[in-house]
Amino acid sequence: QVQLVQSGAEVKKPGASVRVSCKASGYTFTDYPMHWVRQAPGQRLEWMGWINPGNGKTKHSQKFQGRVSITRDTSASTVYMEVSSLTSEDAAVYYCASPGPDIPTAAAFWGQGTLVTVSS
Amino acid sequence: SYELTQPPSVSVSPGQTARITCSGDALPKKYAYWYQQKSGQAPVLVIYEDIKRPSGIPERFSGSSSGTMATLTITGAQVEDEADYYCSSTDSNGTRWVFGGGTKVTVL
Repeated sequence: QVQLVQSGAEVKKPGASVRVSCKASGYTFTDYPMHWVRQAPGQRLEWMGWINPGNGKTKHSQKFQGRVSITRDTSASTVYMEVSSLTSEDAAVYYCASPGPDIPTAAAFWGQGTLVTVSS
Repeated sequence: SYELTQPPSVSVSPGQTARITCSGDALPKKYAYWYQQKSGQAPVLVIYEDIKRPSGIPERFSGSSSGTMATLTITGAQVEDEADYYCSSTDSNGTRWVFGGGTKVTVL
């Protein structure tokens, strides 16, 4: 079955960068895009961007253009999302999400989430 | 930037019908998706492409869309349906996702 397993919680200082990983299994990694969505405490889901694992092309929310980098390692079936110049407003749970073989247009599968804390 | 608008909260008695709306200018041309999120958990897809229900989602969840409004209906709501519900769609170019503000459904 499809599984997305994310890296563990992170604590970072303001101004630092954080990288979160998402390892996919149970399907052909290059067949579907991988999206990143974050959720600040008590706030709405916020779409950040996606990557086409097949060719590495990305698309970002305009809000995160230039500050978020999404990459992939096809040999490891893993996608990485890095946020730079962290502020307290970046404290959130970060999720990877992907369509799947039966539902190719929606976030049918989600990682467990990675909590990022930003504190001096 | 493109926005989807949902009511902040909906309350319903057990066994009654809850309806959650989502309005957006691009919805006449773009599909709506609905996610259920319970406290401390990752979201779960409950409706995709306006009306389709993933395997394993109870039949009491249904979706519809007309014009600039999509609707998630829970027919015969159960206590376990208490959660936040988010609608989602894409921008007019179909390249970027957007989420609504979320609706907290209370069943009591």
